[in-house]
Amino acid sequence: DIHLTQSPSFLSASVGDGVTITCRASQDISSYLAWYQQKPGKAPKLLIYAVSTLQSGVPSRFSGSGSGTEFTLTITSLQPEDFATYSCLQHYRYPQTFGGGTKVEIK
Amino acid sequence: EVQLVESGGGLVRPGGSLRLSCTSSGLTFSPYSMNWVRQAPGKGLEWIAYISSSSGTIYYADSVKGRFTISRDNARSSLYLQINSLREEDAAVYYCAANIVVPGMVFDNWGQGTQVTVSS
Repeated sequence: DIHLTQSPSFLSASVGDGVTITCRASQDISSYLAWYQQKPGKAPKLLIYAVSTLQSGVPSRFSGSGSGTEFTLTITSLQPEDFATYSCLQHYRYPQTFGGGTKVEIK
Repeated sequence: EVQLVESGGGLVRPGGSLRLSCTSSGLTFSPYSMNWVRQAPGKGLEWIAYISSSSGTIYYADSVKGRFTISRDNARSSLYLQINSLREEDAAVYYCAANIVVPGMVFDNWGQGTQVTVSS
């Protein structure tokens, strides 16, 4: 199975800050990497797929980059509604696997 | 608007069984492959089962293989997960998830989840 390692697992930031979350795959997954946002008690919401393509309706302050085994999610100018947990997903092959998640909290 | 609604969760004793359902509305269900994804309390997301549109291809995570069975009824626009021999580590919120719009096997539509609690 393909293992995804996310870092950091937790970060504290202020409104207006920029943050970057990293997702490393245990093997080459080409561009088959997606990012989700999840708030407490809610289902995950797809933000980005194919590394850098924003899902419809997702603000442009979210961006993704990378290829192969290393990927990043960047949020420029954090907004109050962005404080949540972010998870990466590899959809290169089954079993599809998620990273462990990064919780972004308000400093 | 696509809507997926899970049901069937609850409190079950270890070793017990449960059948989860996911009903879709707002789309033609039959063309789309479906998945179950779970999340244990305080833990990350775990994909556990996949079924193709015609039920011809099914995959399971190793953690549930032999105990869980995924199925679907396209006439009823419904997806199911039969869970047998429940263990405490199966306690989680169970989501059905579909790949409807986005290219590639990306879960772009999710239900709200149904809670499964395993306790004696």
